Amino acid sequence: DTGVSQDPRHKITKRGQNVTFRCDPISEHNRLYWYRQTLGQGPEFLTYFQNEAQLEKSRLLSDRFSAERPKGSFSTLEIQRTEQGDSAMYLCASMTQGYSYGYTFGSGTRLTVV
Amino acid sequence: QKEVEQNSGPLSVPEGAIASLNCTYSDRGSQSFFWYRQYSGKSPELIMFIYSNGDKEDGRFTAQLNKASQYVSLLIRDSQPSDSATYLCAVKVGYGGATNKLIFGTGTLLAVQP
Repeated sequence: DTGVSQDPRHKITKRGQNVTFRCDPISEHNRLYWYRQTLGQGPEFLTYFQNEAQLEKSRLLSDRFSAERPKGSFSTLEIQRTEQGDSAMYLCASMTQGYSYGYTFGSGTRLTVV
Repeated sequence: QKEVEQNSGPLSVPEGAIASLNCTYSDRGSQSFFWYRQYSGKSPELIMFIYSNGDKEDGRFTAQLNKASQYVSLLIRDSQPSDSATYLCAVKVGYGGATNKLIFGTGTLLAVQP
């Protein structure tokens, strides 16, 4: 168990480009969450997977955002046509069903759109 | 009204003093409450969780919950400069078949002065 792993740690991209982030949860965790955090704010919920099923998407997740968890293991978050407002820390968290002790977060991917 | 509210601070305390961090929440049905610590540029780290009214102690940390007042607090005794961080209050929402997810406050910045 090496914790939740996110890649890359940092990403700088030009406005209009597409970016993709990867999250590898703790292996026995079937629940996976994506959050976004901007400076001075708490993490904001984006989307949730239970195994491979995406069960909830926040209104924050515009049509430019898509997330997948194809085999119920790792997940990807893609942002198309990035905008400067997408600059944020993108956090992935995992939890096992029935385990009520809160999330384990990954180290996050810091996105800067220039 | 925000679902989870915290004073953004900064809260400045001298080394060795007790730091008191407060949080209120709006969903009276919430059952689980969490405190995360976040150092600048890092991801949140779970430090305490509480489900029952009253106090829960873990080392120098004490979480307090008052469901009637919809109020959660975190006390840090013998504060150290290494405790300087942002403290995020989180509340688990979702019941039955709905998504169980954490809603975060904006965090309180704690500064412990040597």
